[in-house]
Amino acid sequence: AQKITQTQPGMFVQEKEAVTLDCTYDTSDPSYGLFWYKQPSSGEMIFLIYQGSYDQQNATEGRYSLNFQKARKSANLVISASQLGDSAMYFCAMRGRLYGGSQGNLIFGKGTKLSVKP
Amino acid sequence: DAGVIQSPRHEVTEMGQEVTLRCKPISGHNSLFWYRQTMMRGLELLIYFNNNVPIDDSGMPEDRFSAKMPNASFSTLKIQPSEPRDSAVYFCASSLQGDEQFFGPGTRLTVL
Repeated sequence: AQKITQTQPGMFVQEKEAVTLDCTYDTSDPSYGLFWYKQPSSGEMIFLIYQGSYDQQNATEGRYSLNFQKARKSANLVISASQLGDSAMYFCAMRGRLYGGSQGNLIFGKGTKLSVKP
Repeated sequence: DAGVIQSPRHEVTEMGQEVTLRCKPISGHNSLFWYRQTMMRGLELLIYFNNNVPIDDSGMPEDRFSAKMPNASFSTLKIQPSEPRDSAVYFCASSLQGDEQFFGPGTRLTVL
């Protein structure tokens, strides 16, 4: 079965410092996608970054980067130069099994609540 | 683009009543997903459609839940009869061919 594990229920980081949010996954499919979403207190789900299982390089999007270690089945999110506005829940997700080539659903971890201290 | 549109944003109803949630995906997207978020269970898939066809409804809790997608620009999730344990935030999301999923703002449902 496919599964996403986020072991950090909550984390604190000082403003302007970097922080790593952990994510491990389990799948037997050779092709999969890994995603990170941010959910601020307002409730919306905001896409941050994507890593494909065959991508050779780690994904980066501005201050976000994904530390993808395929052999260890980990896909940690690194946020550099934290800002107060980064305080939110962060969800790691994996694209589920494809059906006949169609897009699969996302399987989410339980999330990590990040608090940025001034 | 307006993004994924969901209505209503908030719904308060009494146990036993019918509830209908609505979703308009991003134009051109061919996959639509309904998720439910609760404190206890987190984010979980209810059902998803590809090209308006239901692909995986294994997450639909029981017969009280039903979903339709009559065309590429509209989907509904219906709960009949509603129960207090259905209280949650219901998200609709859409995507195109394996790309990232874009979420709507969600509908916060409270069943009294």
